[in-house]
Amino acid sequence: EVQLVESGGGLVQPGGSLRISCAASGFTLSNHWMHWVRQAPGKGLVYVSRSSTDGSDTNYADPVKGRFTISRDNAENTLYLQMNSLRVEDTAVYYCARGISGSRDAFDIWGQGTMVTVSS
Amino acid sequence: QSALTQPPSASGSPGQSVTISCTGTSSDVGGYNYVSWYQQHPGKAPKLMIYEVTRRPSGVPDRFSGSKSGNTASLTVSGLQAEDEADYYCSSYGGRNNLVFGGGTKLTVL
Repeated sequence: EVQLVESGGGLVQPGGSLRISCAASGFTLSNHWMHWVRQAPGKGLVYVSRSSTDGSDTNYADPVKGRFTISRDNAENTLYLQMNSLRVEDTAVYYCARGISGSRDAFDIWGQGTMVTVSS
Repeated sequence: QSALTQPPSASGSPGQSVTISCTGTSSDVGGYNYVSWYQQHPGKAPKLMIYEVTRRPSGVPDRFSGSKSGNTASLTVSGLQAEDEADYYCSSYGGRNNLVFGGGTKLTVL
């Protein structure tokens, strides 16, 4: 079965750091761009970051640029998001998503999400 | 980059058709054929329904269709069913590696 499973979310204080993970199974991670999308409680979807197939090309939304780092270990079939200098407004469910090969920013497989709460 | 504009709500009776709009600019929706639509049930992850404006992933019923005219994309759900009740989000590539989502539309099946 093709699936993505996120982990590592939790409660962190403002200014703190957290690394969340996304384990892929049922497909070859190295064949796909991978993405992070977040959703604050009761709010809509917001794009966070993307990684090329080999991790050499990465992009970030302006609100997280300079604070978040996306990376991947294709041998371990895992995608990561390192989040530093966390702010209250980063509180959200973070989803990892698989990009459709050959298309642009269309996500055909999503994880169940991991909740990140930034609060003192 | 500003979010795409969607109506907050839409509704229809079972068997009817409903269309949800998604308005952007010439820099995103109007400039690229990379518009996607996602369905999200409460507490669940989003599900891809339409990509590249009109393409349907395998397993998505053909009751769901997409289109675009100028800076506005649309999702039409025909033959509404109870299980179609959900939130729907559009997204569009916006150039310079930007991806923007709409604010979401809550679809109610009356």
